[in-house]
Amino acid sequence: DQQVKQNSPSLSVQEGRISILNCDYTNSMFDYFLWYKKYPAEGPTFLISISSIKDKNEDGRFTVFLNKSAKHLSLHIVPSQPGDSAVYFCAASGAGGTSYGKLTFGQGTILTVHP
Amino acid sequence: DAGVIQSPRHEVTEMGQEVTLRCKPISGHNSLFWYRQTMMRGLELLIYFNNNVPIDDSGMPEDRFSAKMPNASFSTLKIQPSEPRDSAVYFCASSRDGNQPQHFGDGTRLSIL
Repeated sequence: DQQVKQNSPSLSVQEGRISILNCDYTNSMFDYFLWYKKYPAEGPTFLISISSIKDKNEDGRFTVFLNKSAKHLSLHIVPSQPGDSAVYFCAASGAGGTSYGKLTFGQGTILTVHP
Repeated sequence: DAGVIQSPRHEVTEMGQEVTLRCKPISGHNSLFWYRQTMMRGLELLIYFNNNVPIDDSGMPEDRFSAKMPNASFSTLKIQPSEPRDSAVYFCASSRDGNQPQHFGDGTRLSIL
């Protein structure tokens, strides 16, 4: 039972345009969400996070939107650059007890930004 | 600042052998996590420690897997005996606090023949 789902295995975007990566979750106890970027032969790198008390968080070219009622979050990259080409993972964690700090990851979306 | 350091980067061994993966977390981080990445199951949490104490090992696949954290700057993940289905990339991550963003090492690519 996959609690965090990234339904698009891949996304291709032109340089300068917006990239939108989507993520859905099923566990209503999740209250902290993160996006990671991963290059081949490297570990995932933290990009941006959002707490469930917010619906938007912005950091430079990266913005994460959270829709709690739909159990959906998205990552917007504007403008997209060729160096953004990587695998993007969505992750979620719940509050308290043994769930504290425990991340559940989606399967990842391969983003390719064409020059 | 040094990131999370994992060794070895690659390990190839025959089934039945003992395998030990090592991790040095970021200094000052008190939570440490071991993950396994496979094509079939993606990134899955195996075990995590807080202040050197195992908090949740429900992701450890079976008794052949064990993890220790003897001090704040070192952890090991051991597989004994190893099997071909253990082949995967194993990541270690650490965070300043359990619910802060986790920082990952570059992983150990393990191949069991």
